[in-house]
This record gives sequence, structure tokens and C-alpha cells, in this order.
Amino acid sequence: EPEVTQTPSHQVTQMGQEVILRCVPISNHLYFYWYRQILGQKVEFLVSFYNNEISEKSEIFDDQFSVERPDGSNFTLKIRSTKLEDSAMYFCASSGQGDSYNSPLHFGNGTRLTVT
Amino acid sequence: GNSVTQMEGPVTLSEEAFLTINCTYTATGYPSLFWYVQYPGEGLQLLLKATKADDKGSNKGFEATYRKETTSFHLEKGSVQVSDSAVYFCALSTRSGGSYIPTFGRGTSLIVHP
Repeated sequence: EPEVTQTPSHQVTQMGQEVILRCVPISNHLYFYWYRQILGQKVEFLVSFYNNEISEKSEIFDDQFSVERPDGSNFTLKIRSTKLEDSAMYFCASSGQGDSYNSPLHFGNGTRLTVT
Repeated sequence: GNSVTQMEGPVTLSEEAFLTINCTYTATGYPSLFWYVQYPGEGLQLLLKATKADDKGSNKGFEATYRKETTSFHLEKGSVQVSDSAVYFCALSTRSGGSYIPTFGRGTSLIVHP
């Protein structure tokens, strides 16, 4: 069964540095998402992406964050200047064959970002 | 806005016990409802879903019924196994301005002892 893949599985960075988290969604999916999960807390929506543009974003997704789909297969999340509170597990997800309203999300295994 | 409320965990049970994890929601419009499961070190996986009132989603012995009148989607299993130990997330999805924004609850950790 096709799956969403994320790299790296763990990223350690210093405060103020830029990080890029990478995802390869399922190839025929149309909708792409980034969520994050701070340890032991809920899964929080960051951004959704459809038709090569952001369709929705949460208040967490401020100017420090950006997303790209540079080549039709990869879907990246960039954090321009990381803060300690950005430490979390970041999940990429994709969905969307036809009626996406009922389509479940397919998640990657996540990238654990640790900001020191 | 949309929100999902789940019972606090952890839920600790012995093997073969009956499981209920409560989930209630508020939503604009008519949501689809989902349960996802997250095993240690992995991403979330769809467990089951229901797309209209009174629908029952089921998978791997788990069931949940879409109750519009009580805005609930409680997860149940008649006899849990140690391998069911995981975090369970209730979620809903609605259409908002042409896009689909799934909203997740906080997750409920289930620990099953032999």
C-alpha cells in the first residue's frame, strides 16, 4: 500500500537556525497537510495545501513558516528561525481522491524536531 | 469553529476488558467523523470512519456510531488485547471555503495489561 514518507526522522537544530522538513505524499493525492504534536499534547493543524497554494493555515503558522511543493512530488515545511517552542513532532499527511470531505488522511511517521 | 473533546487518559485496562473512549464534537456544517490510532513511534493511522448520522464505523473489533443528536462518536471494543495499547484520536472533517480541515482531539492513551 502506498505511504507518506518523511525525512529526516529526527532533526536537532540550534535556536535561530532554519530547518526544512521533507515529505513525499502519496502520488495521486490532491490535498497536503502539516500537523504538529508537542510531546504528550494534541495534534495541531498547521497548514493545508491544494492546487499549488495554501488553502488554510492556523494561527500557529506565522511568518516563520512556509511550505512548498517544488517538484510535484516533495512537500516541504520550512521554519525560518527556529525557537525552543518549535520542538515537536511534525507530521505530514495527504488525502484526496475525489470527495476529500470523506477521505481520511494518510500520515507519515513524523519528524521529531528538537531545538536547543 | 470546529472542536473535538475526548476523555482524558490514560485508560488502563486488563486484557479482554470492555473499552469505551468518549468523543464529542462541535462543528459547523455536517462533519465526517474519524478515529485514528497512533502506535508508539509511528504516525496516525485511520481506524474507522462514519460519514452520516447513525452510520457505524468498524474495524479490527472497534466500533463507533455517529450520533448527531448527542454530537458524539464514542469508540468501543468488546475485548481489548495488549496489542491495542496505543493513543486514539477522534477527529472530524468539514468543508470550509472549499478546503477540508480535519480537526483532532487531544488523544486518549490506552494501556492494556496482560
